[in-house]
Amino acid sequence: DIQMTQSPSSLSASVGGGVTITCRASQNINTYLNWYQQKPGRAPNLLIYAASTLQSGVPSRFSGSGSGTDFTLTISGLQPEDFASYFCQQSHSSPYTFGQGTKLEIK
Amino acid sequence: EVQLVESGGGLVQPGGSLRLSCVGSEFTFSSYWMHWVRQAPGRGLVWVSGVNSDGTRTTYADSVKGRFTMSRDNAKNAVYLQMKSLRAEDTAVYYCARGVGFSERFLNWGQGALITVSS
Repeated sequence: DIQMTQSPSSLSASVGGGVTITCRASQNINTYLNWYQQKPGRAPNLLIYAASTLQSGVPSRFSGSGSGTDFTLTISGLQPEDFASYFCQQSHSSPYTFGQGTKLEIK
Repeated sequence: EVQLVESGGGLVQPGGSLRLSCVGSEFTFSSYWMHWVRQAPGRGLVWVSGVNSDGTRTTYADSVKGRFTMSRDNAKNAVYLQMKSLRAEDTAVYYCARGVGFSERFLNWGQGALITVSS
C-alpha cells in the first residue's frame, strides 16, 4: 500500500498571509495526487486534482505542485474561510490513501 | 446539482451488522466508480472501499476486508455498504463519494452517516 505523509499536522497563519503544506508518497504516484479542504461538521471538498489542476470554482489563491513522491499545496492571501483542515490523497492505486491532515488555524 | 445522500447510520453493538445506503442524483450514476470514506471522531479521512461503474469489481481497505461488502444497484442509483462483525474502531462518519476522471478524484461527497459501535 502507498503511504502518504503530510506535514505539518497543524499550523497557524494570519489573514492575508500564505502557507505551504507538503505531502510525500511512499512510492512514485506520478501526478495522481488530490487535495481536499474540510470544515468542521462538513464533508470534504475537492480543491486540486492531478497535483496541480484547480477544481472548477476554487479560488486561484490555491495552488498545487509536484510529481513523483513530493507534493505541495500553497495558499496565498489567506481568507477567513480558508481556516480549515486539508488532506492530500493519492489516487494512483487502491487503497486510495489519505494523508493525516493539516489543521490551519488563525494566528 | 449533483447530490449524494447517505442513510442507514446508527448505534450498533460490537459484533453486530448494519447496512449503509447512498443514493445519487443529477448525474449518470452508472458511469462512475463510487467509494466509501470514513472519518472517526476527531481523526482523518480513511478510504474504505470502492466499486466500479457496473458493480463487477470492488476493492477494500485491509481493515475492513472480509467484514464489509460494497455493492451497487444502478437501476436505483444506489450504492451500499454491508458491514458485519462491527468493532468499536469502526465508529465513524461514513461518506459516499463519486470518483471522477482519469485521476479518480472524489468530486462529490454525501453529507455523511454516523455509525457508533458501542454496547
